[in-house]
Amino acid sequence: AQSVAQPEDQVNVAEGNPLTVKCTYSVSGNPYLFWYVQYPNRGLQFLLKYITGDNLVKGSYGFEAEFNKSQTSFHLKKPSALVSDSALYFCAVSLSTTSGTYKYIFGTGTRLKVLA
Amino acid sequence: DTGVSQNPRHKITKRGQNVTFRCDPISEHNRLYWYRQTLGQGPEFLTYFQNEAQLEKSRLLSDRFSAERPKGSFSTLEIQRTEQGDSAMYLCASSLAQSGTDEQYFGPGTRLTVT
Repeated sequence: AQSVAQPEDQVNVAEGNPLTVKCTYSVSGNPYLFWYVQYPNRGLQFLLKYITGDNLVKGSYGFEAEFNKSQTSFHLKKPSALVSDSALYFCAVSLSTTSGTYKYIFGTGTRLKVLA
Repeated sequence: DTGVSQNPRHKITKRGQNVTFRCDPISEHNRLYWYRQTLGQGPEFLTYFQNEAQLEKSRLLSDRFSAERPKGSFSTLEIQRTEQGDSAMYLCASSLAQSGTDEQYFGPGTRLTVT
């Protein structure tokens, strides 16, 4: 079955330290990969996406993600965490269907807590 | 603010009743999506429209669920004969693209509680 896994329910990091939020996927074909962030009482917001090309993708708020095809991973990173980065982060994949449409699979989310 | 809006924000209903939610996408977006999110889970894809055509439906979308997008503008999601298991946050998103590479803009969601 095609799936997206976020193996950590929660990640704690001290402010100013680098952060990594992990995502692995199991899909057939070439996936399109996304990261979204959800702040309390707000809708999900797009951070970045990987379509093709450079394996290191840069996105909003200083976040970046590294696509690794051999490890089927798309980990989210930031060199220096801020307390305001504390939120729920979702990895997602877009898959093409045999009928030429798309379906979307989200991971279960990772709660990031940045400690002052 | 011209983002995605959803109404109502909260709905409490008794089991067996029908409910309808509305989503107004960003006006120039041709694609509209519905998701369901339960506590501790990521959004689960339900269906999406390109303009007024419903292109993909998840197996999660049982025959009690129906979605429409008349004239390719706003969309409604109706749940008939609600069950307690339908309690969840229902999310709507929209995008502008012709492929699966588009980023989606999400609304704040409608929280459904079935008692």
